[in-house]
Amino acid sequence: AQTVTQSQPEMSVQEAETVTLSCTYDTSESNYYLFWYKQPPSRQMILVIRQEAYKQQNATENRFSVNFQKAAKSFSLKISDSQLGDTAMYFCALRDDNNDMRFGAGTRLTVKP
Amino acid sequence: GAGVSQSPSNKVTEKGKDVELRCDPISGHTALYWYRQSLGQGLEFLIYFQGNSAPDKSGLPSDRFSAERTGGSVSTLTIQRTQQEDSAVYLCASSRFLSQETQYFGPGTRLLVL
Repeated sequence: AQTVTQSQPEMSVQEAETVTLSCTYDTSESNYYLFWYKQPPSRQMILVIRQEAYKQQNATENRFSVNFQKAAKSFSLKISDSQLGDTAMYFCALRDDNNDMRFGAGTRLTVKP
Repeated sequence: GAGVSQSPSNKVTEKGKDVELRCDPISGHTALYWYRQSLGQGLEFLIYFQGNSAPDKSGLPSDRFSAERTGGSVSTLTIQRTQQEDSAVYLCASSRFLSQETQYFGPGTRLLVL
């Protein structure tokens, strides 16, 4: 069975600073995708970034980047130059070839002015 | 359409009543997914559709839950004889194809069972 663990229920960061959200996972599959989703108070889940497990290069989307450590089964999200609009719940998710998608419990991030 | 839409956005019902939740996926997306998010929790996968077919219904919490999809587009999630523990946000997502595709989420339906 696949599991996704986010060990930080809550985090905060000062505006313009950098924060890293942790995610570890477990799967027996060799081919899978990893995702970070953002859920602001509006409830809309928004894709932040995704990483194909077969790619060694870490994915980057503007201020968002990941540190993908396949051997350690770690997939952390780094947010640079944090903005007030980054305040949200962040969910790490894993999806395999069997279409089994699992989400972590989430990390509530607050960006302080 | 521009995105995944869900209706109603909020639903309050009495215990024992049936409710029907609707999801309109992004136009052209063949795969559709239903999730449940209880207060302060992560997402619990319920069921997915490839076209109109749902190959695996084991994620549905009980036999009071059912889902269907017609015309490869709109899907409805029906909860019969609702219980208080059914209170949650029900999220729908769609993707172009079933495998290895990013899922795009709707805004969810917040269900409160009194």
